[in-house]
Amino acid sequence: AQSVTQLGSHVSVSEGALVLLRCNYSSSVPPYLFWYVQYPNQGLQLLLKYTSAATLVKGINGFEAEFKKSETSFHLTKPSAHMSDAAEYFCAVTTTSGTYKYIFGTGTRLKVLA
Amino acid sequence: DVKVTQSSRYLVKRTGEKVFLECVQDMDHENMFWYRQDPGLGLRLIYFSYDVKMKEKGDIPEGYSVSREKKERFSLILESASTNQTSMYLCASRLTHPDGQPQHFGDGTRLSIL
Repeated sequence: AQSVTQLGSHVSVSEGALVLLRCNYSSSVPPYLFWYVQYPNQGLQLLLKYTSAATLVKGINGFEAEFKKSETSFHLTKPSAHMSDAAEYFCAVTTTSGTYKYIFGTGTRLKVLA
Repeated sequence: DVKVTQSSRYLVKRTGEKVFLECVQDMDHENMFWYRQDPGLGLRLIYFSYDVKMKEKGDIPEGYSVSREKKERFSLILESASTNQTSMYLCASRLTHPDGQPQHFGDGTRLSIL
């Protein structure tokens, strides 16, 4: 069975500071991992995805994430926060084809302080 | 870019009404999904369709049905709306292959049942 845990339902950072959003997963088979962002009253927008090609994945808006198998983690980072990064972020996992199951974390709301 | 369009952003209906939520995607994706999103509960899968006229129950199908008569359109039906179905509803689509395809989401329908 798969699962996703996002540590911290709310994270606050100052503008210009490092953003670190945590995601740990559990999967008995090699996973595919995703980060999505959701702005108020909008759907989820794909930030980046890990599909085993490279452990460090770069996404849109300056975000990146590193897949660490030994730690079962896929944390999202951005070197310098911008006010426009304020949103809710979701980590998700799925596995090989033949499944339609995507397991989503419960989300982390990022607040950026001026 | 993939475009997933949900017919209504906001909808208000009364208890007992039959409610239709429509979703259209323009990228010839085989798979389509309906989720509901509630605070603290993340995304929960209601129904999944892997092809035209094909459907599978998700984790919370009770009180809902779906229709997929054409590849691009996936409809969610609340047979007799109840107040506990007040929620944000998200439609998504994806390609089946290759492995690890991300889901692409619409902007959501915020449904209120009075």
